[in-house]
Amino acid sequence: QARLVESGGGVVQPGRSLRLSCAASGFTFINYAMHWVRQAPGRGLEWVAVISYDEYYKYYADSVQGRFTISRDQSKNTLYLDMTSLRADDTAVYFCVRDGVGWSPSGTYFDHWGQGTLVTVSS
Amino acid sequence: DIVMTQSPDSLAVSLGERATINCKSSRSVFSSSKNKNYLAWYQQIAGQPPKLLLYWASTRESGVPDRISGSGSGTDFTLTISSLQAEDVAVYYCQQYYTTPSTFGQGTRLEIK
Repeated sequence: QARLVESGGGVVQPGRSLRLSCAASGFTFINYAMHWVRQAPGRGLEWVAVISYDEYYKYYADSVQGRFTISRDQSKNTLYLDMTSLRADDTAVYFCVRDGVGWSPSGTYFDHWGQGTLVTVSS
Repeated sequence: DIVMTQSPDSLAVSLGERATINCKSSRSVFSSSKNKNYLAWYQQIAGQPPKLLLYWASTRESGVPDRISGSGSGTDFTLTISSLQAEDVAVYYCQQYYTTPSTFGQGTRLEIK
């Protein structure tokens, strides 16, 4: 069974940076596009970024474009999200998510979710 | 971006009764070349991550009970729970993946009456 475990969340001051990690297991990581989806406290879901299975394609939400970078280490079965110039409205639980189809460059539906890691941006 | 609008925002249904949640997209999410609607539904129980229920508008994910079903095409979609159980209390989200960015509805909170 697929398992996704996020880490790296915490409290960070506005303008600072943070790196989230997601350790994947129980499936062939290199076969799947991977996403980050976030949820602000008490709010709905917002897709953040996707990276294709082969790392060739990367897409971002407008709200994070130019500030966040998604990447993956195929040898470590790990997904990353590098977040810079953090703002208060980036405060959210960040979920690592597996794409349901896998090969689609821009992603499809989300069939496995991690438990999430909370990022709080506050001075 | 495609805007997804769910209705109602909240819903209270008696145990054993039918629950219906609607989702409308600002433009069609149907691909005529693939003959598929690029629409998924998720259930989020309090304190847990979302769980995939349905994709391609009506295909049930493995392990999802058959009392949960999806219908619709183009811009209008429906999630139906035919006989509400206590474990169905949750927030439900629709999602379109026809275009990037993928977008979600605002969520519908389902409670027991």
